[in-house]
Amino acid sequence: SQQGEEDPQALSIQEGENATMNCSYKTSINNLQWYRQNSGRGLVHLILIRSNEREKHSGRLRVTLDTSKKSSSLLITASRAADTASYCCATVKTSGSRLTFGEGTQLTVNP
Amino acid sequence: GAGVSQSPSNKVTEKGKDVELRCDPISGHTALYWYRQRLGQGLEFLIYFQGNSAPDKSGLPSDRFSAERTGESVSTLTIQRTQQEDSAVYLCASSLLTGSYNSPLHFGNGTRLTVT
Repeated sequence: SQQGEEDPQALSIQEGENATMNCSYKTSINNLQWYRQNSGRGLVHLILIRSNEREKHSGRLRVTLDTSKKSSSLLITASRAADTASYCCATVKTSGSRLTFGEGTQLTVNP
Repeated sequence: GAGVSQSPSNKVTEKGKDVELRCDPISGHTALYWYRQRLGQGLEFLIYFQGNSAPDKSGLPSDRFSAERTGESVSTLTIQRTQQEDSAVYLCASSLLTGSYNSPLHFGNGTRLTVT
């Protein structure tokens, strides 16, 4: 089964609104990372949160991690049309080094 | 500095032919990953190299797939006797591992493989 599943699969909002995407996973993790992907090509790393952290900020991004619920959320505040992309989470299990990706949330920000 | 470079960016091949995809990681990055992404789907892990350790090949879908990496430099992913289901974007990524697996991955732009 998939380690790292995003919710919702697709999200459409207006410019200026906040966007929240969620990620759930199944096994204990070392860290969780969020990536952005444009047009099905290379991914860009956004933010990494370690298993002993609960919240992290980077610019307009805010990530939370709840290890008891095995879930994370990515909040993009004051969204812009340029934020339109696919966002996915990736986890590193405590028992391994492989980074496993979810299928992503397609975010569309309408101008 | 230079990022991860992949070549070719696009490859169209006939069913049954062999293809070789190349990845140049960021200099000094000890870890290198190959992923496959089919249209509309998430990234599927293929193989992972870490320094001189034995690679983690557990994601390779069949024995038609193989990959090599010399030291901490270039890697090649080879697909023999290509099938139409091999059509996908093949993504390479490298990272500077610190031993605690807390290093982000840097991705190339991928090779879009189309098998006709």
